[in-house]
Amino acid sequence: DAGVTQSPTHLIKTRGQQVTLRCSPKSGHDTVSWYQQALGQGPQFIFQYYEEEERQRGNFPDRFSGHQFPNYSSELNVNALLLGDSALYLCASSSRDGFSEQYFGPGTRLTVT
Amino acid sequence: RKEVEQDPGPFNVPEGATVAFNCTYSNSASQSFFWYRQDCRKEPKLLMSVYSSGNEDGRFTAQLNRASQYISLLIRDSKLSDSATYLCVGRIYNQGGKLIFGQGTELSVKP
Repeated sequence: DAGVTQSPTHLIKTRGQQVTLRCSPKSGHDTVSWYQQALGQGPQFIFQYYEEEERQRGNFPDRFSGHQFPNYSSELNVNALLLGDSALYLCASSSRDGFSEQYFGPGTRLTVT
Repeated sequence: RKEVEQDPGPFNVPEGATVAFNCTYSNSASQSFFWYRQDCRKEPKLLMSVYSSGNEDGRFTAQLNRASQYISLLIRDSKLSDSATYLCVGRIYNQGGKLIFGQGTELSVKP
């Protein structure tokens, strides 16, 4: 049983560019949450998707957007990249009931130069 | 003020030592609490849930005091393999179960 997978593993982008990160949830899970973890900090909640809609959103600008597909996989898009967007981006999957454990993927490390 | 606050450390302890991590939270909407472990450049993994009655898992003991909004984690007989960052986490179920993380406390266990 595959766990949560994310791609790519690492990514280097230039300021102003756009990036798309991908996540496939654990089998049986239909809810995907995205977190940003800056160096030396704990993960910060970006948003959560289920039923192909954004259900909850953290304190992130509109440059951060997402999508969920019918197979429950998800994408995180960031436009107009800033140096401060450099971080580890983590995807977590869970069941919609919100009570089950959230399982994290290995993350995508984004560096903006 | 951050919703979940931890001492960032680092805590440097010898093998066999007992180490205690403390955490406070300010968001009373947080309904459940957890300790996660994160190894360097890896994803966080659930270590244990935290209950008001206290709970123990081998060498690890966690405690929640809702009145004081305080959470603790005690590690006894530290092992080299315990070296990691420990994250204190709150969960808000009426917001889709989103997790609120502290900044993490780094532990380094030395021989």
